[in-house]
Amino acid sequence: DTAVSQTPKYLVTQMGNDKSIKCEQNLGHDTMYWYKQDSKKFLKIMFSYNNKELIINETVPNRFSPKSPDKAHLNLHINSLELGDSAVYFCASSPSGWVAFFGQGTRLTVV
Amino acid sequence: LAKTTQPISMDSYEGQEVNITCSHNNIATNDYITWYQQFPSQGPRFIIQGYKTKVTNEVASLFIPADRKSSTLSLPRVSLSDTAVYYCLVGGGNTGFQKLVFGTGTRLLVSP
Repeated sequence: DTAVSQTPKYLVTQMGNDKSIKCEQNLGHDTMYWYKQDSKKFLKIMFSYNNKELIINETVPNRFSPKSPDKAHLNLHINSLELGDSAVYFCASSPSGWVAFFGQGTRLTVV
Repeated sequence: LAKTTQPISMDSYEGQEVNITCSHNNIATNDYITWYQQFPSQGPRFIIQGYKTKVTNEVASLFIPADRKSSTLSLPRVSLSDTAVYYCLVGGGNTGFQKLVFGTGTRLLVSP
C-alpha cells in the first residue's frame, strides 16, 4: 500500500486550461501539505491543512485552490494554467512535528 | 524558524564516510534538527531527527554539539545509491503542527 499517493504522475496541458491533482494518504495523519519544486529544484511550501482546515497559504496565486474533503485527501486545483506553473508538485502528510511523508510527485508541464 | 546554511554540493566515492554540516546559529531552545533525503524524481524522505548530542539509526548518524549552532549528518560507507539532495530543517518542537520549510539542500554525488 502506498502511504501518500498522487494522481496523475504526469500531466501535460496547454496554457489556459484548468487541471486538478489529487492526493490521498492512508496513514491517518492530521496534516497535509502541497509543495512545488521548480526547475532549479527549490522545494517551496504552498499550502498546509490541519484537520481539513487551511493553516498555511504561502502567497500562492489564487489560481491555485486546495480542497480537503476529509483528513485523508488534499487536492490541488489550478485554473488558467501558465507556463510558469510547470514544475513537480509534491503532496505530503505528517502526524506531527517534523516528520513528513511525501508522495512521488506530479510532473506538470504547461505548453 | 531558524535559518540554515549547508554546502551546495559535495562529492564522494563509494565506501567513504560522508559528513554534511548544517549551520543554524539562531537555533531556539525548543528547536529540533531534522534531515531529509531526496532522490531524483522522488519526494523527500525523512532520515533522522535530533535535539542534542548524537542520534543514530540504520541510515545515518546525527551529531549535534553542545551549543547546537550546527549539526552534522554522517553517512557511513556511502554507495552510488546515496547520491541525492540532503536537506537540513530546524524548527520548534517535535509534536503538533509544524511548517516544514526546506532550504536549498546539499547535493551529494557519489562516484565509483
